[in-house]
Amino acid sequence: DAGVTQSPTHLIKTRGQQVTLRCSPKSGHDTVSWYQQALGQGPQFIFQYYEEEERQRGNFPDRFSGHQFPNYSSELNVNALLLGDSALYLCASSQGTHAGVSYEQYFGPGTRLTVT
Amino acid sequence: AQKITQTQPGMFVQEKEAVTLDCTYDTSDQSYGLFWYKQPSSGEMIFLIYQGSYDEQNATEGRYSLNFQKARKSANLVISASQLGDSAMYFCAMREGVNTGFQKLVFGTGTRLLVSP
Repeated sequence: DAGVTQSPTHLIKTRGQQVTLRCSPKSGHDTVSWYQQALGQGPQFIFQYYEEEERQRGNFPDRFSGHQFPNYSSELNVNALLLGDSALYLCASSQGTHAGVSYEQYFGPGTRLTVT
Repeated sequence: AQKITQTQPGMFVQEKEAVTLDCTYDTSDQSYGLFWYKQPSSGEMIFLIYQGSYDEQNATEGRYSLNFQKARKSANLVISASQLGDSAMYFCAMREGVNTGFQKLVFGTGTRLLVSP
C-alpha cells in the first residue's frame, strides 16, 4: 500500500518564476492538505482540498493556488516566486472531512524548493 | 486564535531512558484534537499519537504516551525506553474545531531530541 507521494523531491527556481508541485494521496484517502515548512520552523497550513474544491485556506497570498483532480491527487502552484518561498512543502492526506471526527493525516516526504 | 507552544528547542537523553517533550496549547474551542509527529532528517512527518479533547484517558501507542492535562492546556509526549532511532524533530500539533469537519493542523516550532548511546 503506497503512502503519500510527492514530486519532485528537490527543485531550484529563480525569483519571479512559477512552480508546480504534485502530490498523490494514500490509497483510500480523498482529502489533501498542503503545508509550508521554512527552515527551523513547524509546518504552516496553506490549504486543503476535498471533492476537488478548496475547503479551507491558511494565511497565504493568492500567489499560492492549488487543484485537486478526480483521482484525488493534487497540485500546488506558486506564482511570482520570492526568496522567502524557499521551504519544504509537505502534502498530507486523510480520509475525509466529516464533522466530529479527527482523521490522522499522513504526510509525504516533501518537496524542497529553493528560490535563488 | 489557536496556538501551540513547545519551549524546549533541544533535548538530550541516554538510550533506554524515558524523556518528556513539553507542549502547551491555546484554544477557545471545546472540541479539538492534539497530535504528535516525528520528523527525521529525511523530512517526512510520521504520526505518533493522537488525543481528543473529550478523551478521558491518556493516549498510548507502544513506547509513546501523551500526558494530557486539559485544565493546564498541556499535552506532553512521553517516550519510554529511548532508542537511537528516536533522534529526530518532534512536533506537537492541534486540530481545532473538530465539529466543523475541517482538518487544518497548527504546529508548534518543534523539539529536537538527541538520543546518545
